[in-house]
Amino acid sequence: AQSVTQPDIHITVSEGASLELRCNYSYGATPYLFWYVQSPGQGLQLLLKYFSGDTLVQGIKGFEAEFKRSQSSFNLRKPSVHWSDAAEYFCAVGPYNTDKLIFGTGTRLQVFP
Amino acid sequence: EPEVTQTPSHQVTQMGQEVILRCVPISNHLYFYWYRQILGQKVEFLVSFYNNEISEKSEIFDDQFSVERPDGSNFTLKIRSTKLEDSAMYFCASSEGANTEAFFGQGTRLTVV
Repeated sequence: AQSVTQPDIHITVSEGASLELRCNYSYGATPYLFWYVQSPGQGLQLLLKYFSGDTLVQGIKGFEAEFKRSQSSFNLRKPSVHWSDAAEYFCAVGPYNTDKLIFGTGTRLQVFP
Repeated sequence: EPEVTQTPSHQVTQMGQEVILRCVPISNHLYFYWYRQILGQKVEFLVSFYNNEISEKSEIFDDQFSVERPDGSNFTLKIRSTKLEDSAMYFCASSEGANTEAFFGQGTRLTVV
């Protein structure tokens, strides 16, 4: 069955530190891959997406993600975290044969000054 | 910037009552979706809608649920007889095409008492 795993439920970093949020997926082929962010009380905002091509994709707010086929991973990174980045981050996959998105359980990011 | 809008932002209803959640997708989008997020859990797909019919639905989307696009702009989710376990944040989303990025609304928090 198709699934998305975000192994880190909660991550705490200091402002200015680098960040990597992990995402692994289980699917027979390379799906479409997405990262969404949800700030408290807000909806889901798309950070970036991977459909094909260059495996390093750039997104909004200084985020990037790298698709690694051999590891079935799509980890999200940011070189220097800002306090406003505190939020919940969701990795999602969109299999080719369906319209739906399958979400991971999310990683809550806390940023200390 | 175009956005998906949802109303109301919060709805409280008594168990057994019918509720209708409303969404205005982005105007040139053709695919429409409903997702839900039970408090503390991951975002789950409910249903996708294209060309005035359901294109895919999950196991959650049973006979108590229905969707409709009553006019050229609105997209609604009806829950016929609400249960306590229907309490969740319900997100509407839309996309230009299949397997393209989905844009989410801010959500409607439904509380069933």
